[in-house]
Amino acid sequence: GAVVSQHPSRVICKSGTSVKIECRSLDFQATTMFWYRQFPKQSLMLMATSNEGSKATYEQGVEKDKFLINHASLTLSTLTVTSAHPEDSSFYICSARDTGKGNTIYFGEGSWLTVV
Amino acid sequence: GENVEQHPSTLSVQEGDSAVIKCTYSDSASNYFPWYKQELGKGPQLIIDIRSNVGEKKDQRIAVTLNKTAKHFSLHITETQPEDSAVYFCAAKIDSNYQLIWGAGTKLIIKP
Repeated sequence: GAVVSQHPSRVICKSGTSVKIECRSLDFQATTMFWYRQFPKQSLMLMATSNEGSKATYEQGVEKDKFLINHASLTLSTLTVTSAHPEDSSFYICSARDTGKGNTIYFGEGSWLTVV
Repeated sequence: GENVEQHPSTLSVQEGDSAVIKCTYSDSASNYFPWYKQELGKGPQLIIDIRSNVGEKKDQRIAVTLNKTAKHFSLHITETQPEDSAVYFCAAKIDSNYQLIWGAGTKLIIKP
């Protein structure tokens, strides 16, 4: 079964609104989680590394004020897309690092965001 | 930094035949090499991984080989089945670094 749960799986929001995506590690504690964006037929693009109890580390070119990441607990990280625009429509995927299993990284099922 | 190249980008194989996907990496310090399978509209699923202290690892129809000298690793799928059709990603990582560096992906098509 899934060890990383991502919610919602699909969301439609209006331009200008904000939307939050949750990523939970179900049976392990994850001090580090990762947020990716994936465009059709392309590989995963790392957006940011989320660290429990501290600020996220953003990749170059990713606006930290637009993509707010909060990792308030060892099992939950959230990505909030603020003031969403149609170009933010994409597939967003989180992953979590399981230090108890040799740092194996497990992925969530992804969240389809459509901004209309 | 690390760079991972993956080939081919698309692979079409007759059902029952074997499929091989290859990746090369640039950083000799990388010591962890997972393979993920991604079905349409879903997140990647870890199918097999290998660490640099091992040359080969097998799990039923799936195997991964690693050549540290040449800095390449390969995914082998035998007796392919329609449900093997998906996009496969290789990745490389240094254990002390949290990031996975991804290959571009291979779309595997199993022809009936």
